[in-house]
Amino acid sequence: EPEVTQTPSHQVTQMGQEVILRCVPISNHLYFYWYRQILGQKVEFLVSFYNNEISEKSEIFDDQFSVERPDGSNFTLKIRSTKLEDSAMYFCASSRTGGTGYTFGSGTRLTVV
Amino acid sequence: DAKTTQPPSMDCAEGRAANLPCNHSTISGNEYVYWYRQIHSQGPQYIIHGLKNNETNEMASLIITEDRKSSTLILPHATLRDTAVYYCIVRVADYGQNFVFGPGTRLSVLP
Repeated sequence: EPEVTQTPSHQVTQMGQEVILRCVPISNHLYFYWYRQILGQKVEFLVSFYNNEISEKSEIFDDQFSVERPDGSNFTLKIRSTKLEDSAMYFCASSRTGGTGYTFGSGTRLTVV
Repeated sequence: DAKTTQPPSMDCAEGRAANLPCNHSTISGNEYVYWYRQIHSQGPQYIIHGLKNNETNEMASLIITEDRKSSTLILPHATLRDTAVYYCIVRVADYGQNFVFGPGTRLSVLP
């Protein structure tokens, strides 16, 4: 079964450093998303991306965050200057149409120290 | 905020059916009911979705009331591996729509 692949599985970074989280969506999917989940809290939407531009973003997705699809297969989330409160699981997802193809990756655990 | 209400936790004996309820009294006519689950800290996993008819797949059954204000996810023969947080989400099935997750129901399948 097709999967959304995320790397690395765990990233530790120092406060103030830039970090890039990487995702390889399912190959025939057209919509890409990032979510995050702070430990013990709900899964929260960050941003959706379609046709090489952001289609929707939440209040969490401020100027410190950016997304990019640098080639035909990768989808990245960049945090410019990490803060302690950015520590969370970050999930990438992709979809083709509607909801049946909406698939989440296994996540990257980001720890900011 | 999530448009659904679920009990925070439930227990189920291994091998028995697990029935997880969800209230969505403000659901709109074009909104579907989706169920996802999250095992430990893994990514949410799609289970099933429906509009108004009952649905069944290899994982579960979804029963939606006639007025669409509530639904029940049924895992027919729960196993220990079904222990997870189960999320009921209402959402239009348009392209690119995000999911709004609530706290879900933590299902514990007991041996």
